[in-house]
Amino acid sequence: GAVVSQHPSWVICKSGTSVKIECRSLDFQATTMFWYRQFPKQSLMLMATSNEGSKATYEQGVEKDKFLINHASLTLSTLTVTSAHPEDSSFYICSARDARGLAGGPGFFGPGTRLTVL
Amino acid sequence: AQSVTQLDSQVPVFEEAPVELRCNYSSSVSVYLFWYVQYPNQGLQLLLKYLSGSTLVKGINGFEAEFNKSQTSFHLRKPSVHISDTAEYFCAGVPMNRDDKIIFGKGTRLHILP
Repeated sequence: GAVVSQHPSWVICKSGTSVKIECRSLDFQATTMFWYRQFPKQSLMLMATSNEGSKATYEQGVEKDKFLINHASLTLSTLTVTSAHPEDSSFYICSARDARGLAGGPGFFGPGTRLTVL
Repeated sequence: AQSVTQLDSQVPVFEEAPVELRCNYSSSVSVYLFWYVQYPNQGLQLLLKYLSGSTLVKGINGFEAEFNKSQTSFHLRKPSVHISDTAEYFCAGVPMNRDDKIIFGKGTRLHILP
């Protein structure tokens, strides 16, 4: 299957700093990428959907100014957590989908990034 | 509004025994349905999906699921489980008219007992 990578796999930062997480599709062009957040022992919560070259669409309750998403190319999307606080600590997962669109469903998932804010 | 419900948060089962993980959905439109597996500290891996056609879907690792429109269910089954199947399993639905509205169930933790 297709491969999606995330970098870093884990990060620890101080409260008030910003953290950037990268999501890359390694062997296909991802026209759509999704970002999720997962709290311990809970399900994935869709945060936003981004299409290459356009602004991300955020789910209700997700602060767009706090979680900046950029999808500048067909293989890379970034999520920047600005002014991170301990409550932002979570497991962040991306998925990427190619031009087949819905037939691919949410697409292929990255391995996730564990963010810990001290 | 759409929803996906996984009725069991945890399912213990003995090794080599059969298992069924339950998933029900609610939607005003037709949906595509998926089952994913998540191992600790990893992303999700697709087990199988139902888009259309045959209601019995076979996936990887010996899993299969059956789409039942009348009961709005998409239960996951495996005839004989192994220790390596210990993981979290997520059912997900995508409304056919809104492919950006992916809805996950809360997950079911499968415990394989020796």
